[in-house]
Amino acid sequence: DTGVSQDPRHKITKRGQNVTFRCDPISEHNRLYWYRQTLGQGPEFLTYFQNEAQLEKSRLLSDRFSAERPKGSFSTLEIQRTEQGDSAMYLCASSSEGLAHEQYFGPGTRLTVT
Amino acid sequence: GNSVTQMEGPVTLSEEAFLTINCTYTATGYPSLFWYVQYPGEGLQLLLKATKADDKGSNKGFEATYRKETTSFHLEKGSVQVSDSAVYFCALSKGGTSYGKLTFGQGTILTVHP
Repeated sequence: DTGVSQDPRHKITKRGQNVTFRCDPISEHNRLYWYRQTLGQGPEFLTYFQNEAQLEKSRLLSDRFSAERPKGSFSTLEIQRTEQGDSAMYLCASSSEGLAHEQYFGPGTRLTVT
Repeated sequence: GNSVTQMEGPVTLSEEAFLTINCTYTATGYPSLFWYVQYPGEGLQLLLKATKADDKGSNKGFEATYRKETTSFHLEKGSVQVSDSAVYFCALSKGGTSYGKLTFGQGTILTVHP
């Protein structure tokens, strides 16, 4: 078990560009979560999947954000037309359904929008 | 809505000192409560949990008791070590369809000096 991995670890992009992040969860976990963390704050929930189904989306997830988990394994988070306010650390976590609160977090992708 | 408030940091202690990090929450019903820790350069990891009132979670010498009457879940350790230097996050999870969705406090930076 190699833990939750995220790619890339860092991304610098210009305002208006699209970016896509990838998360590979722990293989036996059927739940996958995305959070966003800004400097000095705790993570904020964005969305989560159970297998390939997206079960909940936060109001923080505007129309420019889309997340997928097509085969119930890895997930992607895409941000279209990035804005400077999107600059943050994007965290992915996974868990089993029965222990949903015991989430294993990846190292995060740090996005900087210039 | 649900929210978690942690004591303002950062906290700086000498090795073997007593640690308390305060956490209070606002939520309807009976949430589950957690402490997550983020060591330098690593992802968040679950430190301890309590799922009902008066439960005490404990791990690695840390303890926290779920106090419904004061809506608190303060983290304590009797004798801190340099290796405990990290960021500590208090979090809650409600049941139902949101079970597993974590609401975090803003985090408390702990630095322990030899």
